[in-house]
Amino acid sequence: SYVLTQPPSVSVAPGQTAMIPCGGDNIVSKSVHWYQRKPGQAPVLVVYDDSGRPSGIPERFSGSNSGNTATLTISRVETGDEADYYCQVWESSRDYVFGTGTKVTVL
Amino acid sequence: QVTLKESGPALVRLTETLTLTCTFSGFSLNTPAMRVSWIRQTPGEALQWLARIDWDGQQLYSTPLQTRLTISKDASRNQVVLTMTNMDAVDTGTYYCARFDSSGYFDFWGQGTHVTVAS
Repeated sequence: SYVLTQPPSVSVAPGQTAMIPCGGDNIVSKSVHWYQRKPGQAPVLVVYDDSGRPSGIPERFSGSNSGNTATLTISRVETGDEADYYCQVWESSRDYVFGTGTKVTVL
Repeated sequence: QVTLKESGPALVRLTETLTLTCTFSGFSLNTPAMRVSWIRQTPGEALQWLARIDWDGQQLYSTPLQTRLTISKDASRNQVVLTMTNMDAVDTGTYYCARFDSSGYFDFWGQGTHVTVAS
């Protein structure tokens, strides 16, 4: 089955840029979506189709996809961005696959 | 405004069947292209997609779990029900329902409901 690999954690200072990679075999051939999950809250879609941004999501959130790595970038990080982030794709054998998740800590 | 909320037992015994209900608002499962999925997170594991049901009744299941899962809908009550048979301790976790967009992503989620499986 298809595997999406993310680093367990990323730490960033307020105002800096956080980059969260999502590795998968030839992931560039797939559409990648990203979710933010805070404790006790419903997960939120923050990027869809590699780089699309849903209504209400700040422009600070952006995505890219190339080769074997997709990346979620959070610019000008705020304390409210502290959360777990997950990538997700549709796998050809009909399952939806999620990444292992990355905890973003704002220092 | 789209909202979804999961409900069900907090505790299930080993080998029993789990039944979870997703009650939603802001859209109708009678509308073409509307779809709802169930997703879970178990301790130490990534999010795992479980099942999907479409406006026309089509069902789709996670390949490794398909023999244990049944998803159904009551569109008139804006509800989707998931049953999972033969529950095991490894099934302990948080279960979410989410609306699925035809482009391949889950655009609205519930807060999740935690299920513990114990003897």
